[in-house]
Amino acid sequence: EAQVTQNPRYLITVTGKKLTVTCSQNMNHEYMSWYRQDPGLGLRQIYYSMNVEVTDKGDVPEGYKVSRKEKRNFPLILESPSPNQTSLYFCASSPLGHRGYTFGSGTRLTVV
Amino acid sequence: QKEVEQNSGPLSVPEGAIASLNCTYSDRVSQSFFWYRQYSGKSPELIMSIYSNGDKEDGRFTAQLNKASQYVSLLIRDSQPSDSATYLCAVNPGEYGNKLVFGAGTILRVKS
Repeated sequence: EAQVTQNPRYLITVTGKKLTVTCSQNMNHEYMSWYRQDPGLGLRQIYYSMNVEVTDKGDVPEGYKVSRKEKRNFPLILESPSPNQTSLYFCASSPLGHRGYTFGSGTRLTVV
Repeated sequence: QKEVEQNSGPLSVPEGAIASLNCTYSDRVSQSFFWYRQYSGKSPELIMSIYSNGDKEDGRFTAQLNKASQYVSLLIRDSQPSDSATYLCAVNPGEYGNKLVFGAGTILRVKS
């Protein structure tokens, strides 16, 4: 089944404790992206990648890191999480950026 | 000015009626337009894409694009209670194929 897989689905952590949210797609897509979704603010892009080793900032990159060492994987790293990073996170992939994204199931992160 | 604007709703329609959802965008050179459906607690699901002026039909869904007026709309015919969800308009602005900008979404409620 063609899909974008994120893990974990739910995560509660403490301020300052480094964490990684994994994302993997099995559709051989070139483009991958991370979004966060907050009430009233909608979906906002954090980082995106157009290919292996090619990444760039989206609209809200502060406090996040990403890497794209393999085409299928695009992990999101929070090196020192803070409570304002409590949110619902989605990874997404696309064969071509202008053809729309397929989203993963989401990761609900709570930072206390 | 927000790049993509939608009425937050909720838009309530009776079962069997036509639901009309609207979206305006600010970047005149935008090329690709998408409608996503998001059920509560779930990830966004791509339901329609449109790239040129006019109408595009897929089953009960019709997307309409007017680039001169910078709006895109989604019509849902014969609305069903299962259509109750948040509908997100997304626009790929300009030459940035990787970037997808979302509106905050319109809540649709179909009452039986």
